[in-house]
Amino acid sequence: DAKTTQPTSMDCAEGRAANLPCNHSTISGNEYVYWYRQIHSQGPQYIIHGLKNNETNEMASLIITEDRKSSTLILPHATLRDTAVYYCIVRSRTFSSGSARQLTFGSGTQLTVLP
Amino acid sequence: DTEVTQTPKHLVMGMTNKKSLKCEQHMGHRAMYWYKQKAKKPPELMFVYSYEKLSINESVPSRFSPECPNSSLLNLHLHALQPEDSALYLCASSQDLTSGNTIYFGEGSWLTVV
Repeated sequence: DAKTTQPTSMDCAEGRAANLPCNHSTISGNEYVYWYRQIHSQGPQYIIHGLKNNETNEMASLIITEDRKSSTLILPHATLRDTAVYYCIVRSRTFSSGSARQLTFGSGTQLTVLP
Repeated sequence: DTEVTQTPKHLVMGMTNKKSLKCEQHMGHRAMYWYKQKAKKPPELMFVYSYEKLSINESVPSRFSPECPNSSLLNLHLHALQPEDSALYLCASSQDLTSGNTIYFGEGSWLTVV
C-alpha cells in the first residue's frame, strides 16, 4: 500500500476553512484515499474517502488532484470541536492475504482550531 | 447505526493476570479488527478477522490472543502482559475486506499493566 506524507501540525482560525494536504505520490490506480480524524482520547472517526473524483459530505470535501498524487481535505467552517489529529490513508481496492496493511495510519496532522 | 462498542473503557491489570477486552457491533459487518495505539502515536494494526476466521496476525506476541466467537463479537484475551503493553486498544469493523467499505472504530479500551 502507498505511503502518505502530511504536515505535522496546522492552525486554523475558527470559522475559516481548514485545508489539510496529503501527499501520496506512490498511489496506484486501485487505491482509495481515506481520511479519518481522532479527537484526543477517542477512537478514530471516519470523515470521507474517494478514488478519483472529488467528494463532499456533511463533514468535509475531498479534493484529489488529477494525477492522484496528492489530496486536500477541506473543513469549510472549522470549529473548536474540529481540533484533532487528521489521518490521510491509502487503501487498496482489493484485499489479499499478502496485503496486510488494510488500514495503515501515518503520523497524521494535528489541526488546532484557534478562537 | 455505525456503532462499535468496546468494554471495558479502562482496565488495570497485573503482569500475572488474565483479562479480556470485548468488542461488539450490530451492523452485520463480517470483518473485525484490533489495533493498538501508544501515546502520541498512530494506531497499529494487530489482527484482522474475516467471517470469523483470523486473516491477519501482524506478528503480535502470543500473550495477546484474539477470538471471534460469532460475527458480532470480537475478544482480545490478555495474559502475562508487560508494562510496555499499556496502550489504547481499538476495535473496528467493516462490511467485509473488499474495497470501498468504510472501517468504523470503537472508542477504545485503555489498558494499564502494572
